[in-house]
Amino acid sequence: NAGVTQTPKFQVLKTGQSMTLQCAQDMNHNSMYWYRQDPGMGLRLIYYSASEGTTDKGEVPNGYNVSRLNKREFSLRLESAAPSQTSVYFCASSREPGTSNNEQFFGPGTRLTVL
Amino acid sequence: RKEVEQDPGPFNVPEGATVAFNCTYSNSASQSFFWYRQDCRKEPKLLMSVYSSGNEDGRFTAQLNRASQYISLLIRDSKLSDSATYLCADVLDMRFGAGTRLTVKP
Repeated sequence: NAGVTQTPKFQVLKTGQSMTLQCAQDMNHNSMYWYRQDPGMGLRLIYYSASEGTTDKGEVPNGYNVSRLNKREFSLRLESAAPSQTSVYFCASSREPGTSNNEQFFGPGTRLTVL
Repeated sequence: RKEVEQDPGPFNVPEGATVAFNCTYSNSASQSFFWYRQDCRKEPKLLMSVYSSGNEDGRFTAQLNRASQYISLLIRDSKLSDSATYLCADVLDMRFGAGTRLTVKP
C-alpha cells in the first residue's frame, strides 16, 4: 500500500503559468482533500471531495479548481499562478468527512514556488 | 468564522520533562478532534484521536474539555524523538490549528 501519493514533489512556476497537482490514494477512501500550508498559518482547506462525483469549496478556494477523476484520484489545478500561491500543498484522504472516524492520511506534499 | 487556535511555541524542554499543549476551538457542536505530529518538511501523521472520554497511549494523554472548548495533549517523560510540531484538528469543520513546535533537548 502506497497510501497517498502526490506529484510533483517540487515545482517552480512563473506568474501566470498553469499547472495541475496530482493526488492518488489506494486505501479505498471516499473522501479526499487539498490543503495548503504556509508558515504560521497551519493547514488550510482549499477544496474537498466528500465522495466520488462531488466537490466542495473549503476555506481558501480562490485561484484553484479541482477534479475528482475517480475514487482514487483528486487533482488540483492552478489556472494562472500568482506569487501568493507559493506554498506547500498536501493532499489527504479519509473514509468519511465530518465523522469521528475521519482520520485523514496525508501525502508527502508538493512544494510550489511562484516567481 | 470557526477557528482552531494553538500556542505556536516553541516549547523547549529537557529530556524527561512533562509538557502540555492546549488547543481552543470555536465550534461548540464539535465533538471529535485529532492530534497530528508533523516533522520538519514532512506530512502530518496521526498521533491520537480525542473524544469526550479522552485518550491515553503510553506517554501521551489527550483530553477534551467541552465546557471551555479546548483540547489538550500531555506528553510525559519527553524523548528527543518527540521534537516535532503538533497540530490539533477539528474533525467536524476539517480545520487545523497552526501547530505548536516542541523541541526536547538533552
